[in-house]
Amino acid sequence: DGGITQSPKYLFRKEGQNVTLSCEQNLNHDAMYWYRQDPGQGLRLIYYSQIVNDFQKGDIAEGYSVSREKKESFPLTVTSAQKNPTAFYLCASSSGRATSGTDTQYFGPGTRLTVL
Amino acid sequence: SQQGEEDPQALSIQEGENATMNCSYKTSINNLQWYRQNSGRGLVHLILIRSNEREKHSGRLRVTLDTSKKSSSLLITASRAADTASYFCATDNGYNTNAGKSTFGDGTTLTVKP
Repeated sequence: DGGITQSPKYLFRKEGQNVTLSCEQNLNHDAMYWYRQDPGQGLRLIYYSQIVNDFQKGDIAEGYSVSREKKESFPLTVTSAQKNPTAFYLCASSSGRATSGTDTQYFGPGTRLTVL
Repeated sequence: SQQGEEDPQALSIQEGENATMNCSYKTSINNLQWYRQNSGRGLVHLILIRSNEREKHSGRLRVTLDTSKKSSSLLITASRAADTASYFCATDNGYNTNAGKSTFGDGTTLTVKP
């Protein structure tokens, strides 16, 4: 059963703690993405990775960190430096082989992070 | 600033009616995509239209693209209560980049009343 999974579905964090959100895909996709979504708003890109061991900052990378040690996995760490981390976090992947423009992205079910 | 912006922000219709949502963008693009998001879930890809295409159909969905006006529209015909969701357009930055970034608008929230 191919797809992209995120865990946990809900996550609660105390102020000052780092937390790591998991994202795994078995679609053999090269590219992976992390987005943040606030209520009633669209998606904002945090980080993206086009290939293993390489990643780039998106529009709102401050206070977040990622790694891409395996093709299948792209974990996101929300650090204590992120001042307002309560949001819905979405991970996506795409084949990364588009010759122009952007690929279709396949999204995970999301993780809702709440800071207590 | 956003590359793609949807209009209207919210739309409420009766089952069986058609729903039209619009997306405007600022810079040239290679393609434009529409996604759907049910409340509290991930996004699902609906349709991709390339800059050299003017119209595409997929089931009850019809997408148009007018590059001269930098706008696209998504039409859902014969709407159903299950179409209730938020709809987003996503655009690239116009460069021929591999797996380039997509920029999403804030979405249109569609409510279809039974």
